Amino acid sequence: DGGITQSPKYLFRKEGQNVTLSCEQNLNHDAMYWYRQDPGQGLRLIYYSQIVNDFQKGDIAEGYSVSREKKESFPLTVTSAQKNPTAFYLCASGTDNEQFFGPGTRLTVL
Amino acid sequence: GEDVEQSLFLSVREGDSSVINCTYTDSSSTYLYWYKQEPGAGLQLLTYIFSNMDMKQDQRLTVLLNKKDKHLSLRIADTQTGDSAIYFCAESILTDKLIFGTGTRLQVFP
Repeated sequence: DGGITQSPKYLFRKEGQNVTLSCEQNLNHDAMYWYRQDPGQGLRLIYYSQIVNDFQKGDIAEGYSVSREKKESFPLTVTSAQKNPTAFYLCASGTDNEQFFGPGTRLTVL
Repeated sequence: GEDVEQSLFLSVREGDSSVINCTYTDSSSTYLYWYKQEPGAGLQLLTYIFSNMDMKQDQRLTVLLNKKDKHLSLRIADTQTGDSAIYFCAESILTDKLIFGTGTRLQVFP
């Protein structure tokens, strides 16, 4: 079954804690992306990676970190420095002109 | 700067056609996309059009691109209740990064 998986679907975190969101793909895509979605807004790019061991900041990278040690995996860490982390987080992977999305993780900070 | 705008809501009767509109500001867009998002889910790529095309048809979906006016539209023929969702347009500019609109919520009523 090919696709993009994100886990967990729902995540709760206390203020001041770091949390890591998982994203895995078996589509053999070189590029992977993390977006954040807030109500009434479009998706905003947090980080992206076009190749293993390399990644770039997107438009709202502050308070987030990523790694890309394997082609299949692109985990996102939401650090305590992120002031407003409650949101829906979407991971995508893609080819030259298509991006495919995972089902998302809803993070709530208590 | 890059900006993609959409109206927030559209309501149509089942069986009618829906037309969702999008305007963008960057004339160097290479591809333009339509994604569908159902509640609590990730984004599903519906269709996309290369910037040197005027129209693309795929079953019930028709995409029209007016490059001069920087206007993109998605027409859904014979709209069904299962088409109720949020529809996002997006543009890619030279790289594989996507700029998303704020989304149009389509509501289909019987």
